[in-house]
Amino acid sequence: GAVVSQHPSWVICKSGTSVKIECRSLDFQATTMFWYRQFPKQSLMLMATSNEGSKATYEQGVEKDKFLINHASLTLSTLTVTSAHPEDSSFYICSARDEGQGVDGYTFGSGTRLTVV
Amino acid sequence: GQNIDQPTEMTATEGAIVQINCTYQTSGFNGLFWYQQHAGEAPTFLSYNVLDGLEEKGRFSSFLSRSKGYSYLLLKELQMKDSASYLCAVMDSNYQLIWGAGTKLIIKP
Repeated sequence: GAVVSQHPSWVICKSGTSVKIECRSLDFQATTMFWYRQFPKQSLMLMATSNEGSKATYEQGVEKDKFLINHASLTLSTLTVTSAHPEDSSFYICSARDEGQGVDGYTFGSGTRLTVV
Repeated sequence: GQNIDQPTEMTATEGAIVQINCTYQTSGFNGLFWYQQHAGEAPTFLSYNVLDGLEEKGRFSSFLSRSKGYSYLLLKELQMKDSASYLCAVMDSNYQLIWGAGTKLIIKP
């Protein structure tokens, strides 16, 4: 089945620094990838839709200058949290869909636990 | 607005059956998903319903009624490893997934 690899699994960074999270589709090409954020005991919240070769589409309330998304190839999307603050601490998850597999191909990465101190 | 409702928490006994309900109101409908999420991990796909009726897959079954905006996930022969959060998500007219807050299922021996 479709596999999405996400790195790092967890990261601790100092307030004011930037953190990059990578999301790779390992055995399929993904023209679209999705970035979610999940706070404890809350639902997944879509942050942005990453489109290969074009600008990402951000959800309302998500600062595009703070959460930089780059989707330079059909297998890689990156999310950079710039000037991170403690309130950015959360679980970030990417997902992509292998359209050749139908709905079963909607796959998530393993997630990144970000802690900003 | 778009809304997905499911119970916050449920408790069941090992070996028993539990039904987790989900009601939704969304702009358009292109199917309903159920995902399982263990603490600290990403969600994993369980089922997808786009037509009314029951879909059975081993110990797990999922039901959909589009006219009622209602779905349920039925788990049979519960095992301790089934302790997890179960997320209901609806794909709207823009093919975006709208997520419920998840139901935390606690299995007791």
